[in-house]
Amino acid sequence: KAGVTQTPRYLIKTRGQQVTLSCSPISGHRSVSWYQQTPGQGLQFLFEYFSETQRNKGNFPGRFSGRQFSNSRSEMNVSTLELGDSALYLCASSWSGGVAEQYFGPGTRLTVT
Amino acid sequence: GNSVTQMEGPVTLSEEAFLTINCTYTATGYPSLFWYVQYPGEGLQLLLKATKADDKGSNKGFEATYRKETTSFHLEKGSVQVSDSAVYFCARPPLLNYGGSQGNLIFGKGTKLSVKP
Repeated sequence: KAGVTQTPRYLIKTRGQQVTLSCSPISGHRSVSWYQQTPGQGLQFLFEYFSETQRNKGNFPGRFSGRQFSNSRSEMNVSTLELGDSALYLCASSWSGGVAEQYFGPGTRLTVT
Repeated sequence: GNSVTQMEGPVTLSEEAFLTINCTYTATGYPSLFWYVQYPGEGLQLLLKATKADDKGSNKGFEATYRKETTSFHLEKGSVQVSDSAVYFCARPPLLNYGGSQGNLIFGKGTKLSVKP
């Protein structure tokens, strides 16, 4: 079956703009988690959605938000972009969340100039 | 607290050498433990996992044993190949105070492995 897909794969934005990233989980998976990966901070958890509800949230400012649709597809939005938001944003899906293993997409590389 | 600590990289080995990448976790309960691998330009792939003490996860020649007594989950491979060049991440879910678990993962910093022919 198809894996986790993320669009777009690459994005260049300028400071102050906003951006929306999309993630389509593996069919049947109801949990979608988002992570930010940077060389300095490594992989950091942003939030998790399960059945259209945010279930967990990491330690990121309110500029980072997300949502999940009834078909489990998820979007994350970053408003008022800062240079430090440049990162690889990874989406992961699992059947139920919890300790279920997560399957990652290829990521969206966001560059903020 | 909840964390994982990986050995610092990068690690450079010759083909067919033995690989060990150390990973230790804080002893808060008995979390499931995972190794993920990230090939250049790609997302993370689950390499192997273990859900309880003494479990051994294995895949593609890689192995890791969940050792409660040393709170470790070291990754090993007997004979590495050039195609194993990647970044390897140890990970665990956080455990909540009441013993429950959250769905996100806590990752180590990652260890970059380069295998030379």
